[in-house]
Amino acid sequence: GAVVSQHPSRVICKSGTSVKIECRSLDFQATTMFWYRQFPKQSLMLMATSNEGSKATYEQGVEKDKFLINHASLTLSTLTVTSAHPEDSSFYICSARDRDGGVNTGELFFGEGSRLTVL
Amino acid sequence: AQSVAQPEDQVNVAEGNPLTVKCTYSVSGNPYLFWYVQYPNRGLQFLLKYITGDNLVKGSYGFEAEFNKSQTSFHLKKPSALVSDSALYFCAVRDTGSNYQLIWGAGTKLIIKP
Repeated sequence: GAVVSQHPSRVICKSGTSVKIECRSLDFQATTMFWYRQFPKQSLMLMATSNEGSKATYEQGVEKDKFLINHASLTLSTLTVTSAHPEDSSFYICSARDRDGGVNTGELFFGEGSRLTVL
Repeated sequence: AQSVAQPEDQVNVAEGNPLTVKCTYSVSGNPYLFWYVQYPNRGLQFLLKYITGDNLVKGSYGFEAEFNKSQTSFHLKKPSALVSDSALYFCAVRDTGSNYQLIWGAGTKLIIKP
């Protein structure tokens, strides 16, 4: 099956620093990637939709200047948490849709997630 | 509005017994339905999907789900539970808008006891 690699899996940083999380589709091309945030014992919260070659579409309430998304190629999207604070600590998950398959069904392939802890 | 409901926060089943994780949905038009599983501190893994055809869909790890249009349900089932099935299960339905996003249920924690 299609593989999505997310890195780093865990990151600890000091308050005020920026953290970049990468999401790569390893064996397929993804024109669209999604970034989610998951709080403990809760469902996924869609943060933004990342489209290759264009600006990301952010969900209501998500600060685009806080969570910078770049989707520079068909296999890579990055999420940068800028000036991180303890309340940004969370589990961030990316997903991607195969450009050539599952487009019309909506099936998604997920990264393993990145746990961010801001001290 | 489109929505997905998983009425149970947690389901406890003894190993070897059949399990059911419930999901109901509300969409306009024909539903595209999905089940995903999440193990602790991991991303989500696709289990199965219903697009069209047979109401009983078979998926990974021995799971299956039954699409019931009249009851707008898509319950996940397995005839004999394993301890390793313990995880968080999410039901989702495809957004009928143009972006094909998934609308997620709240998740159900499945605990299989030896």
